[in-house]
Amino acid sequence: KAGVTQTPRYLIKTRGQQVTLSCSPISGHRSVSWYQQTPGQGLQFLFEYFSETQRNKGNFPGRFSGRQFSNSRSEMNVSTLELGDSALYLCASSLQGHGNTEAFFGQGTRLTVV
Amino acid sequence: GENVEQHPSTLSVQEGDSAVIKCTYSDSASNYFPWYKQELGKRPQLIIDIRSNVGEKKDQRIAVTLNKTAKHFSLHITETQPEDSAVYFCAASKGGYSTLTFGKGTMLLVSP
Repeated sequence: KAGVTQTPRYLIKTRGQQVTLSCSPISGHRSVSWYQQTPGQGLQFLFEYFSETQRNKGNFPGRFSGRQFSNSRSEMNVSTLELGDSALYLCASSLQGHGNTEAFFGQGTRLTVV
Repeated sequence: GENVEQHPSTLSVQEGDSAVIKCTYSDSASNYFPWYKQELGKRPQLIIDIRSNVGEKKDQRIAVTLNKTAKHFSLHITETQPEDSAVYFCAASKGGYSTLTFGKGTMLLVSP
């Protein structure tokens, strides 16, 4: 079974630009969550999608948005990029949700904002 | 919302020693507590988890204990090896369709 795939692996963007990250979950997994990982801050939850609906949302500004398609693939968009958005963005998939079952993480997309 | 505190932030041990990482959580409704290991440059992976109806769980050299009254849980690694060197994250959830709240991580360094 293929694992969680994130593309691209690396991105360099300029302040003010926008960016779209992609996540393909494990086949059959309907829940996809996104996390921002920065040094010293751990994994901060952005949002979760389940069957094309946003089911949970973290405490991030509206510049961060996402969506999920009928095949469970998910995209995350960040508009008006700021220097502080530089981070590793991880997505994780699971069958029903991470609340009580294993979350399978992708390798992440390293975003650098200059 | 849930808040998870994790200590220490860095832990250095000699090969063969034991390592203990502690986490506290704030929401008494939390009932699922997984631990993830992230090696340098790699993705986080689940190493062990525990649910609130269990006080302790072991898997070879790894064990997790849970004290619901005190709202804290701990990861114990015995006979540490250099390949145990990684960042370890604890997390808590209220189960069901709830999300995971992660601690800030502990960097474990095991010296040969």
